[in-house]
Amino acid sequence: QKEVEQDPGPLSVPEGAIVSLNCTYSNSAFQYFMWYRQYSRKGPELLMYTYSSGNKEDGRFTAQVDKSSKYISLFIRDSQPSDSATYLCAMSAFAGGKFQFGAGTQVVVTP
Amino acid sequence: DTGVSQDPRHKITKRGQNVTFRCDPISEHNRLYWYRQTLGQGPEFLTYFQNEAQLEKSRLLSDRFSAERPKGSFSTLEIQRTEQGDSAMYLCASSMTQETQYFGPGTRLLVL
Repeated sequence: QKEVEQDPGPLSVPEGAIVSLNCTYSNSAFQYFMWYRQYSRKGPELLMYTYSSGNKEDGRFTAQVDKSSKYISLFIRDSQPSDSATYLCAMSAFAGGKFQFGAGTQVVVTP
Repeated sequence: DTGVSQDPRHKITKRGQNVTFRCDPISEHNRLYWYRQTLGQGPEFLTYFQNEAQLEKSRLLSDRFSAERPKGSFSTLEIQRTEQGDSAMYLCASSMTQETQYFGPGTRLLVL
């Protein structure tokens, strides 16, 4: 079993809808949680960076961490076709440490 | 452009050849990471440096792989005697010690 599980999708939503993404993990030592967006054949682009449990909001993006359930989420409001990409969750046990990534969820936002 | 840069962006090689990739981190970032990503998977950690010191290597990194960061600035990743299973995207990231990682565009390797 992988340390980080993420549904590969694809997840198809109409433009303007809320996109809901999530990851589960097994290593209770993880404390730092990240979400990256990756367009085809490009490097991952950082979206959100959170520490420990709680919520963080940045524009149309909201990240949630529930350490007791070992579950993290990313919500994208008012989705746009330009949000069509693969979304990767990543986590690490300590600041500046190596990341463990999920497999990524492919999101398609249709006009 | 002040982001992480990688060179080359694409590399096609024949099995058994050696290849070397270069990564230039964001200026003043003291940590540098290498990951490998295959199709449909998330990046997998290979190794990382703090300044010129290599702090950790993954068990994925066989003895055919070697990475260096000689002056604590750019880094190179060399693969000797390439195999078809080495075909992947090789990603470099950099960070300040206590901060998160910023990724470069990657080097896509195809071993024929």
